[in-house]
Amino acid sequence: GQNIDQPTEMTATEGAIVQINCTYQTSGFNGLFWYQQHAGEAPTFLSYNVLDGLEEKGRFSSFLSRSKGYSYLLLKELQMKDSASYLCAALDSNYQLIWGAGTKLIIKP
Amino acid sequence: DADVTQTPRNRITKTGKRIMLECSQTKGHDRMYWYRQDPGLGLRLIYYSFDVKDINKGEISDGYSVSRQAQAKFSLSLESAIPNQTALYFCATSDSTGESSPLHFGNGTRLTVT
Repeated sequence: GQNIDQPTEMTATEGAIVQINCTYQTSGFNGLFWYQQHAGEAPTFLSYNVLDGLEEKGRFSSFLSRSKGYSYLLLKELQMKDSASYLCAALDSNYQLIWGAGTKLIIKP
Repeated sequence: DADVTQTPRNRITKTGKRIMLECSQTKGHDRMYWYRQDPGLGLRLIYYSFDVKDINKGEISDGYSVSRQAQAKFSLSLESAIPNQTALYFCATSDSTGESSPLHFGNGTRLTVT
């Protein structure tokens, strides 16, 4: 079967760095997305990786290792507004998105 | 104004009732999707449409139907609502430039079936 695993919840301190991991098992692979979802709101696109390596976009970076079926989202200089759920989703060989359940990130002052 | 608008935002209905959730978009995207989100689960695809004459079942289409009335409008119907259809429903769009095009979500409809 196809599966995405990510931690249910993480806690971090304002100003610190946090890494949210995602492992995937899919039938084929055509890329991996990260979305941010604030409570009660719509998910919003953060990043897309299809090649191995790190992509940086401001305070957020996303990493992919295709051989390991692994990705992470790195958030630097954490702000209170970063408190949200972070959704990992992989594109399988049929270009269908397989979604993880999301990681709820709690930022403490 | 939101690019992807869902109505209503909240709905409470009784078992057995027929209800319709509406979605409209001003992004000019060809592709539209309906998802449901349940606590502790990933987003699950109900139906999707790549253009006005195209309708495709997703992972969990049983008990649902859709209509793509125009490029900008995609509605989801529950013919006879049941309590386990209580969930947060999202409409989303994407352009057709490539499979890596990100999804743009509406603000969701919270549906409760009693």
